[in-house]
Amino acid sequence: QSALTQPRSVSGSPGQSVTISCTGTSSDVGGYNYVSWYQQHPGKAPKVMIYDVSKRPSGVPDRISGSKSGNTASLTISGLQAEDEADYYCCSQSGRYPAVFGGGTKLTVL
Amino acid sequence: EVQLVESGGGLVQPGGSLRLSCAASGFSFSTSWMNWVRQAPGKGLEWVANIKPDGSDKYYVDSVKGRFTISRDNAKNSVYLQMNSLGAEDTAVYYCTRAGGPGWFDSWGQGTLVTVSS
Repeated sequence: QSALTQPRSVSGSPGQSVTISCTGTSSDVGGYNYVSWYQQHPGKAPKVMIYDVSKRPSGVPDRISGSKSGNTASLTISGLQAEDEADYYCCSQSGRYPAVFGGGTKLTVL
Repeated sequence: EVQLVESGGGLVQPGGSLRLSCAASGFSFSTSWMNWVRQAPGKGLEWVANIKPDGSDKYYVDSVKGRFTISRDNAKNSVYLQMNSLGAEDTAVYYCTRAGGPGWFDSWGQGTLVTVSS
């Protein structure tokens, strides 16, 4: 069982927006502004999309955004494109470990 | 360009040992926290271990404490993961990652597969 809880799957049509939630506790998501999100295509290594809750690394489009409220972080992808179809993982610093991950969410672009 | 290249994975019997290596290039290795993250087949990501830039501090997930040892050689720009007493639950792709800051990883290797089976 993963430390952080994510929905197993979400879906949306091209051009639409989807939001993926990531629920933790006050010992991880709620206690630190160090939430990150990773995109993973099949057979590939994960790639960071968001760090420090809402910051985008160079090269990540601004239709990708992150936020946090209390113990729940969210990743929003606007203007869905076919290439967004992938697995997404949230991650947070925690009081116990340097990093704990969510179980992952499969995004399907219909 | 940041590059992380893992090696050393393979098939090992239960109870056996394996040593993973990660060769780094394209960045200041000696000032970077390095990590190992694993992913069991069809499962999610799990942080395994990390090591301070000078090697003086190391941290592990509970499930590998006492069995795995992370180390580094800054002269060779390499980080290692010595894995002992391996069990089926350790079967996974092991990724070498660089910490971009607290709680996040800005660079990942391609991964090396470890399979524990008789």
